[in-house]
Amino acid sequence: GENVEQHPSTLSVQEGDSAVIKCTYSDSASNYFPWYKQELGKGPQLIIDIRSNVGEKKDQRIAVTLNKTAKHFSLHITETQPEDSAVYFCAASTGAGGTSYGKLTFGQGTILTVHP
Amino acid sequence: GAVVSQHPSWVICKSGTSVKIECRSLDFQATTMFWYRQFPKQSLMLMATSNEGSKATYEQGVEKDKFLINHASLTLSTLTVTSAHPEDSSFYICRGQGGADTQYFGPGTRLTVL
Repeated sequence: GENVEQHPSTLSVQEGDSAVIKCTYSDSASNYFPWYKQELGKGPQLIIDIRSNVGEKKDQRIAVTLNKTAKHFSLHITETQPEDSAVYFCAASTGAGGTSYGKLTFGQGTILTVHP
Repeated sequence: GAVVSQHPSWVICKSGTSVKIECRSLDFQATTMFWYRQFPKQSLMLMATSNEGSKATYEQGVEKDKFLINHASLTLSTLTVTSAHPEDSSFYICRGQGGADTQYFGPGTRLTVL
């Protein structure tokens, strides 16, 4: 089955700096890669996603890049703010297509702390 | 935007009792519902997948007789933890999936078994 590795496990940055979180996946058939932000005691919230036919996607301060050859994808947050502090999870799915997102396999999570 | 709600948000029960957690999709039809369990400082582990009107498919190692999942309608799925024990204490989260570009996690339910 799919295996997703996420690094680093913790990341501490100063406000205004950039933060990068990286994930690798094992199944070359994976075609959907979402990123979630989870605050303490809450469910994960989708912040950005990318499909395998796209190499990069950007939404304001957040961007995701995908390298299918190397089987890794990364989350980039620019101009970080204290409210960006949370746990971030990457995930991969082989079932995306049409109306399906399939079964997601999650990375281990990264605790991001943005210091004012 | 679409919202998935869970009830209760937290529950404390005695060992041996059963607990039911409800997951509702409020403004979309969730044809598929995924149930996850998350232990403190760990990632989300998929427990089972259910399609409306069908039996749930459980992941390896998840006891289907202990974690009963019902997905009787397109807006409601329930997870019942039967004969709960302290090791079942965890954060349970559902994820509803509907049409194109529609998938949302619920806010989670914190279960504590004494």
